[in-house]
Amino acid sequence: DIQMTQSPSSLSASVGDRVTITCRASQTIYKYLNWYQQKPGKVPKVLMYGASNLQGGVPSRFSGSGSGTDFTLTISSLHPEDFATYFCQQSYSLPYTFGQGTKVEIK
Amino acid sequence: EVQLVESGGDLVQPGGSLRLSCAASGFTFSSYEMHWVRQAPGKGLEWVSYISNSGSSIRYADSVKGRFTVSRVNAKNSQYLQMNSLRAEDTAIYYCARGKSDYGDSYYFDYWGQGTPVTVSS
Repeated sequence: DIQMTQSPSSLSASVGDRVTITCRASQTIYKYLNWYQQKPGKVPKVLMYGASNLQGGVPSRFSGSGSGTDFTLTISSLHPEDFATYFCQQSYSLPYTFGQGTKVEIK
Repeated sequence: EVQLVESGGDLVQPGGSLRLSCAASGFTFSSYEMHWVRQAPGKGLEWVSYISNSGSSIRYADSVKGRFTVSRVNAKNSQYLQMNSLRAEDTAIYYCARGKSDYGDSYYFDYWGQGTPVTVSS
């Protein structure tokens, strides 16, 4: 199985900050990497797919990059509604494993 | 509007069984692969199972293999998860999710249900 490792596990940031979350796969997954956002008590929502494709309706302050084994999710300027937990997921081969999550908290 | 509605979650004793259902609407169910994903209290997301659009191909996480069985009835726009020999560590919210393939070079879960809670405890 492919292991997904996110870092950091949590971070504190202020509104307006630039935030970067990284995700590393234990073997190459090409660009089969997705990012999900989950707010407390809510259902996960896809933000990015195929490493760098923005899902419809997601603000352009979110961007994704990477290929192979190393990927990043960047929020260019943090908004109050962005405080949430973010998960990466590989969809290259079953089982479609998730990273452990990165909780973005208010500083 | 695409909707996925899970049901069947409950409190069950260790060793017991439960059957979850996921009712789909707003899209051609038979054209999509489906998944179950779970989330234990305060924990991350764990992929549980996959079923192809026809039901002919199925995969499970190692943690549930041999205990859980996924199925679907396209005529009823529904998928199911039969859970046997339940353990305390199966306690979680169980989400039904639709798999979306984008021109063959990406694949992601584009719609999720609201989830149904399963608690395994004596």
